[in-house]
Order: sequence, then structure tokens, then C-alpha cells
Amino acid sequence: EVQLVESGGALAQPGGSLRLSCAASGFTFSLFAMNWVRQAPGKGLEWVSTFSGSGDTTYYADSVKGRFTVSRDNSKNTLYLQMNSLRAEDTAIYYCAKSYGAYIGYFFDYWGQGTLVTVSS
Amino acid sequence: DIVLTQSPEFQSVTPQEKVTITCRASQSIGSSLHWYQQKPDQSPKLLIKYASQSISGVPSRFSGSGSGTDFTLTINSLEAEDAATYYCHQSSTLSPSFGQGTKVEIK
Repeated sequence: EVQLVESGGALAQPGGSLRLSCAASGFTFSLFAMNWVRQAPGKGLEWVSTFSGSGDTTYYADSVKGRFTVSRDNSKNTLYLQMNSLRAEDTAIYYCAKSYGAYIGYFFDYWGQGTLVTVSS
Repeated sequence: DIVLTQSPEFQSVTPQEKVTITCRASQSIGSSLHWYQQKPDQSPKLLIKYASQSISGVPSRFSGSGSGTDFTLTINSLEAEDAATYYCHQSSTLSPSFGQGTKVEIK
């Protein structure tokens, strides 16, 4: 059974940093692209970032480019999101989602339960 | 970037009624369009892949159609458990995007 468990969400100050983690199990983690998708309170879904399952290709939404860094440790079956220079508009539930294939360009077949990031002074 | 526009944004529907949700892309995306269901306080769940392909375990009353720029999610004979927000998602480009969502309420 595929499981994705996010952690690391917390209250952070504007300009601060947080690191989110997504622990994966139930599939061969290294073979699949992994994604972060966020949802601001009462709002819709917004794609944030993707790390490919083949090679080290990463992709970012313009809204986070230069501030967020996605990484993965295939030996630990874990995806990370380093979030720097946080802004109030980054407040959201952050979901980890598995892609159907190794590259960006697939649907998301499994989602975690999400972790809440709140940016406020 | 490709913008996906869903309509309507809200729909109040009687059980057993048919529901139709549309998703229009700002440029052609072939069949790289997928649908998700998100119930309150839950994470999204995949309903339909590649515009019209069914997903194992998803009730057969859910179906999708379309290609290019215009897509439709249909729920035949709505059930109370279908109360949720539905999102379309395009995977055609290196910058995936979602529609703004359609909330379906049961009357």
C-alpha cells in the first residue's frame, strides 16, 4: 500500500525558513517523480515543485522559484522541501504527491494527508 | 503558462441528478487533463486520468471526455457521498496547473 506522510509544518515568521519532509513507502521511490502541491486556507490547489525520478531535474512554480528548494534522498525514501524567505502568502497545507511516472508530465496518483505551514508574525 | 478555467464554481444538486463540470484550457493540451475529488478535510483523490480514462476503484458514475482545450467531468446519478470540490489538472507542460475548483453541494 502506497503511503506518503508529510511532516515539518509549523508557524514561521515572515522571512524565516522551514523544511518539510515526505516519507514514502509501498513503492520503489527512486523510480517516480515526486511533487509538492499546496492549498491556501479555503482556496484551490497550486502546484509548487517537482523532482524527477530519473536524474536530478527539478521544477518550480514562479511563485516559489529562488526561495524554495526541492530535494530527495532515495536511500531514505524521503522527499524534502526547503522553504526560505517565507511570506504570508506561503501559508497553506502542503501536500506531497506521487507522479505516475519518472518525469514531470504525469498525473498524481497518490497524495499525502498534508502538513500545515503558517507564516505570520 | 496554461490557465485552466472550470465552470460552474458552485453547483447545488439533488441526489440522482446528473452533474456536468467543464474545464477549459487557455491553449491545447491534447489529452493531458486529469480530474481529482477533494472532500472536506481530506487530500485530493484521482478520479479520471488523460481526460477519459477510468481509475480502478472509482465508481463508474464518474466519467470524463474532451481533448484539446475543452473537457468535461460527468457524474451520473449523484450520490450523497459525492459532495466535494472537483479539480482539473493539466500535465502537458513543465509548469503543471489546476483549475480553480468546482464545489458540488447536495440539496
